[in-house]
Amino acid sequence: DTVLTQSPALAVSPGERVSISCRASEGVNSYMHWYQQKPGQQPKLLIYKASNLASGVPARFSGSGSGTDFTLTIDPVEADDTATYFCQQSWNDWTFGGGTKLELK
Amino acid sequence: QVTLKESGPGILQPSHTLSLTCSFSGFSLSTYGMGVSWIRQPSGKGLEWLASIWWNGNTYNNPSLKSRLTVSKDTSNNQAFLKVTSVDTADTATYYCAHTPITTTSFDYWGQGVMVTVSS
Repeated sequence: DTVLTQSPALAVSPGERVSISCRASEGVNSYMHWYQQKPGQQPKLLIYKASNLASGVPARFSGSGSGTDFTLTIDPVEADDTATYFCQQSWNDWTFGGGTKLELK
Repeated sequence: QVTLKESGPGILQPSHTLSLTCSFSGFSLSTYGMGVSWIRQPSGKGLEWLASIWWNGNTYNNPSLKSRLTVSKDTSNNQAFLKVTSVDTADTATYYCAHTPITTTSFDYWGQGVMVTVSS
């Protein structure tokens, strides 16, 4: 299994920039994707293949990285961005990170 | 416009077999490159990929559950199915299906999910 590790929680103020990291236990090439999930809702694709913005997603969201280290950046953060963010790899089957809960101060 | 919707029994007893249906529109599972994946999420916890099926009939199962999972499709009726055998309380979760294009292998459209409770 390819294990993905994320920090469990972050707190930022609206208008700031936040970076959410994801580290893979082995290289996943560029096959890393990011999802946003709000309470009671299904996950929503934000970024696919490390750095590609999914359809309809605001340009405040961006992704970077390759190999084992990846980052989702939100700049600037808005109140509506309060959610849990999951990374997912699809290079070796599919696995998800444990999620990072983003809270606004 | 791609949409997916899961359906299932709601509640079932331990040791029974869970049968789920994903009904979708906006794509065909007979078209090259199309796939449907199954994911579950226990309440308050993370996401777990379960299985995927491709347009050509190839299937992939999570190794940790492999022997308990069967994924299949009915192309004519735009449906995909997941069976989980010998369920126990640890299988209680919301189950999602998602559109999976081979071009990205991401899950770009998700159903709303169906809650499944395993209880005696």
